[in-house]
Amino acid sequence: DGGITQSPKYLFRKEGQNVTLSCEQNLNHDAMYWYRQDPGQGLRLIYYSQIVNDFQKGDIAEGYSVSREKKESFPLTVTSAQKNPTAFYLCASKGAYEQYFGPGTRLTVT
Amino acid sequence: QKEVEQNSGPLSVPEGAIASLNCTYSDRGSQSFFWYRQYSGKSPELIMSIYSNGDKEDGRFTAQLNKASQYVSLLIRDSQPSDSATYLCAVNIRTDKLIFGTGTRLQVFP
Repeated sequence: DGGITQSPKYLFRKEGQNVTLSCEQNLNHDAMYWYRQDPGQGLRLIYYSQIVNDFQKGDIAEGYSVSREKKESFPLTVTSAQKNPTAFYLCASKGAYEQYFGPGTRLTVT
Repeated sequence: QKEVEQNSGPLSVPEGAIASLNCTYSDRGSQSFFWYRQYSGKSPELIMSIYSNGDKEDGRFTAQLNKASQYVSLLIRDSQPSDSATYLCAVNIRTDKLIFGTGTRLQVFP
C-alpha cells in the first residue's frame, strides 16, 4: 500500500523540549517537504530535500532541523528555539510533477 | 502583492449548483498549477493539476488556466454537501517548490 506516513498523529510536549516528527514514504519519490499550517493561514514551507543527504531551508526554517539519510525518510526536529511550535505539521513528497501530503502531525507545546 | 491569492470565502452554494473557485498568481514564469481539497482537521488532497492554457475536466471537476491573465479556476459541477471543504490553489514557481494560496472555504448547503 503506497503512500506517506507521519507519526505520531498527535504530540504533546512541554516548552523547552526538542521533539522529532517522523515522515516516511514508499512512493520512490526523490523530493520531500515539510510544511507548517496555522489556523486561518496557508501552508508555509519549513525545509525541503530533493535528494538524499541534501536539503534546503524554506521560508520559516528558524528553530527547525531536518536530515535526509534515506530516500524514504525525512524527519523534522522542532527545537526549543522555535518560538511558536504549536501547529499542524505536514510532510509531502513529489514525483515528476505532483506533490502529495501525508496525514499530518498536530503538535501542541505548553 | 501575494504570490498566490484566493478569496477566503466562505463561498456558499446550494446542493446541485456549480461552485466556482478562483486563484490569481503573480509570477508569469509559473508552469504548473494544482488544486487541493482540505477537509477540516485533515491534510490536503490533490484533486486537479493543470499545465497548459484551457480547460481540464475530471469527473465533476474542471480546472481552467489562463496564463495571459495569470488566473486559474476550479469549477465543481453538481455540488454536494461532501464537497464542503477548503480548496487550496498551488503554483509551481520554480520546479522545486510550490507556493500555496490561503484557501477558499466552500460550503454546500442542502
